[in-house]
Amino acid sequence: AQSVSQHNHHVILSEAASLELGCNYSYGGTVNLFWYVQYPGQHLQLLLKYFSGDPLVKGIKGFEAEFIKSKFSFNLRKPSVQWSDTAEYFCAVNEEGGFKTIFGAGTRLFVKA
Amino acid sequence: DAGVIQSPRHEVTEMGQEVTLRCKPISGHNSLFWYRQTMMRGLELLIYFNNNVPIDDSGMPEDRFSAKMPNASFSTLKIQPSEPRDSAVYFCASSLKRGPYEQYFGPGTRLTVT
Repeated sequence: AQSVSQHNHHVILSEAASLELGCNYSYGGTVNLFWYVQYPGQHLQLLLKYFSGDPLVKGIKGFEAEFIKSKFSFNLRKPSVQWSDTAEYFCAVNEEGGFKTIFGAGTRLFVKA
Repeated sequence: DAGVIQSPRHEVTEMGQEVTLRCKPISGHNSLFWYRQTMMRGLELLIYFNNNVPIDDSGMPEDRFSAKMPNASFSTLKIQPSEPRDSAVYFCASSLKRGPYEQYFGPGTRLTVT
């Protein structure tokens, strides 16, 4: 069965620090990959997605993610975080042609001003 | 586009009462998902529909939970009878069944059962 593993449940950073959140999935076929963000008290919003082409994907607010097929990974990065990036981040995987998207457990990021 | 619409945004009810949560997906989307989010269990998929047909309800916790999608623009999630452990935020999401299948989430319904 598909699964998504996010390595860190809580991350605390100071403003201007670099961010990398790990995500690994287990599925051998073709997948679509997503990062969603949930700001405090809000609903999940799409941050970025990968479904084909350049494995380095750029999203909103300066975020990017790199798909490494050999490692089954889709890590999220940002070179310099801001206080406003404080949120919970969810990695998600969808099997190509499938109905269901599997979400990771989420990583809570707190950025100190 | 108004996005996914959920109602009510907040619901407070007493244990044993029936609760009905409502969702209007984005027009043209043909897949609809109901999730529950709690601090302890995170984001859980309860059920999802494609073209108004339930595809997988294995995430529905108990028989007290039921969901319907009578047409392409409306879905309900019902809890009867409700219990305090049902307190959570319930999200509805919709997507197109083509392309990368990104999901669009509604604002959620915060349910409190006392």
